[in-house]
Amino acid sequence: KAGVTQTPRYLIKTRGQQVTLSCSPISGHRSVSWYQQTPGQGLQFLFEYFSETQRNKGNFPGRFSGRQFSNSRSEMNVSTLELGDSALYLCASSAQLAGVETQYFGPGTRLLVL
Amino acid sequence: GNSVTQMEGPVTLSEEAFLTINCTYTATGYPSLFWYVQYPGEGLQLLLKATKADDKGSNKGFEATYRKETTSFHLEKGSVQVSDSAVYFCALSFGNEKLTFGTGTRLTIIP
Repeated sequence: KAGVTQTPRYLIKTRGQQVTLSCSPISGHRSVSWYQQTPGQGLQFLFEYFSETQRNKGNFPGRFSGRQFSNSRSEMNVSTLELGDSALYLCASSAQLAGVETQYFGPGTRLLVL
Repeated sequence: GNSVTQMEGPVTLSEEAFLTINCTYTATGYPSLFWYVQYPGEGLQLLLKATKADDKGSNKGFEATYRKETTSFHLEKGSVQVSDSAVYFCALSFGNEKLTFGTGTRLTIIP
C-alpha cells in the first residue's frame, strides 16, 4: 500500500497570505489528523477528521481550519499567516492495527513564512 | 492532562554501544504507548508500540516494555548503528484520540 502523501513538500509564503496543504491518507484509512512541529513547541495536535467530520480539535486559533472529502483526502488551511506559523505540518492517517488505533505519518509540508 | 517526559538530548554514542532512551508518562487510565522515529528531513515513522501493562513492543532491534508501576516505556537497543541516528519521540494516546508526544531525543551514532 502507498503511504500517506502530502503536497506540497515545501512552501514559502509572506505574512498575511493564506495557504492550503493537502494530505492523501493510506487507502482504506478514514481518519486523518494534522500536527504542527516546531523547534520551540515540538509536536502539537491541530485537528482530526473522520468521515468528513471534525472529531477532535487542538488549541489553535481559528485561522487554522481543515476539511475532509468523501475519498478521505484532507486539506488544512491557514489564513492570515504569521511568522510563527513557520513549521513542519504533518498529516497522519490511522486505522485499527491489532485492536489499537495507530497513526501513520506522511513526510510533511515545510512552510516558511517571511 | 496527559503528558510524556523524555530524557534530554542530544545523546551521542559509539557504534555497537547499548542504547537507552528514558520515557515516562502521566495519564489518567492506561494509554497505548508508542515510539516514533524521525530521520533528517522526513516525517515520523512508527517504530514500536504497546497497549497494556507488561507488553513489549519490538522492531528493528529496538525494544520497549510498558511498565505500569513506574509509568515508563523506555526504549532500548543492544547494539546501535550509524543508521540509527535520528530523533526519537515517545507518545501516548487513548483510543482514537490525539497522540501526545514527548519533546524528542536526538541520537547521534559515531562510527
